Amino acid sequence: GENVEQHPSTLSVQEGDSAVIKCTYSDSASNYFPWYKQELGKGPQLIIDIRSNVGEKKDQRIAVTLNKTAKHFSLHITETQPEDSAVYFCAANRPGTYKYIFGTGTRLKVLA
Amino acid sequence: NAGVTQTPKFQVLKTGQSMTLQCAQDMNHNSMYWYRQDPGMGLRLIYYSASEGTTDKGEVPNGYNVSRLNKREFSLRLESAAPSQTSVYFCASSATTQNYYGYTFGSGTRLTVV
Repeated sequence: GENVEQHPSTLSVQEGDSAVIKCTYSDSASNYFPWYKQELGKGPQLIIDIRSNVGEKKDQRIAVTLNKTAKHFSLHITETQPEDSAVYFCAANRPGTYKYIFGTGTRLKVLA
Repeated sequence: NAGVTQTPKFQVLKTGQSMTLQCAQDMNHNSMYWYRQDPGMGLRLIYYSASEGTTDKGEVPNGYNVSRLNKREFSLRLESAAPSQTSVYFCASSATTQNYYGYTFGSGTRLTVV
């Protein structure tokens, strides 16, 4: 069935370093890929998304890249700060629906 | 802007009890969703409503029912709670047009069934 694999499950980086989280999707017809940040005790919050007609999108310290051929997309966070510590989820749309398949999450810890 | 509001935030039920989780959004979104979040399993879709008056099953619908009361409100009901339904429940909404948009999530309901 359709699924989204996300790696790594945990990631620790020193403050100021970069962090990269990778996701792979199974359905080549998926065309929308959002990323969510979930802080402790809160609901997930959309931080960036990318559509299949572009290969990269940036928003300040956050960027997402998409490789449609390989069916994977990645979240890049540069100059990490302690407030970036959270769980990050990737997702892909189920083609033909407005439902999304979520990855299992990456717990990012930024060490001061 | 309240966004998506869920009530209650915490609930403890005994096995066999019933309850309804409430969700309301004020963004005029067409679609609403109920997810459960369990450790190591990410977010799994229970039920969704593509538009007012329609509902459909997601990945894990067994033991749940939903009602799309109007465009703003989408409730999730547990008729006979089981320990396996201990989880954090999130309601979400999204605009649905020709383009896809991300979800707006509520802050969650932490449910424990003993």
